[in-house]
Amino acid sequence: DTAVSQTPKYLVTQMGNDKSIKCEQNLGHDTMYWYKQDSKKFLKIMFSYNNKELIINETVPNRFSPKSPDKAHLNLHINSLELGDSAVYFCASSLPGQGATTEAFFGQGTRLTVV
Amino acid sequence: LAKTTQPISMDSYEGQEVNITCSHNNIATNDYITWYQQFPSQGPRFIIQGYKTKVTNEVASLFIPADRKSSTLSLPRVSLSDTAVYYCLVGGRDMRFGAGTRLTVKP
Repeated sequence: DTAVSQTPKYLVTQMGNDKSIKCEQNLGHDTMYWYKQDSKKFLKIMFSYNNKELIINETVPNRFSPKSPDKAHLNLHINSLELGDSAVYFCASSLPGQGATTEAFFGQGTRLTVV
Repeated sequence: LAKTTQPISMDSYEGQEVNITCSHNNIATNDYITWYQQFPSQGPRFIIQGYKTKVTNEVASLFIPADRKSSTLSLPRVSLSDTAVYYCLVGGRDMRFGAGTRLTVKP
């Protein structure tokens, strides 16, 4: 069974469209994350949720809205897509740390291409 | 937030030991040090984590000096399949990745 699964794996869409990427983890973790990895390969954290509560919200355009219906799911909805949104988006999950960085498990990524 | 600094890239040859050092001068008392590996087109994968001295697992060793201001990931006898980007992280839930070190293993 895949621990952290994202769908879709590839997404090609036109500028201005609205799209969602889904993420599910079956590890029983409390914390989930969304990362963006651009063409320069920098892996930047976007959001972090703990038990459905937003705990990290980096400087991300408000066109990006995470939704956590339960602690096993953290979906990413993107409105009015722009060319600069093209990147690979990774979902991850971990147990909450008590000062320690805990082992995080990553999904296989969603390659978003905006044309 | 403890910031990390790593070399941008390193080259090695098959069979050699590779040591990648990460600087984290502002590490907090409670912070652990964690290393991840990322292959092209895949998400990062946990390698090893430690707090002080030395930690070893089946994949790597992690050396942390007493002042904890740096750490060294040691990969014994690398193979071509160890070519990847290696990230050092410090802290709790933050999970902020730096630029990482791109290791290229040559035959």
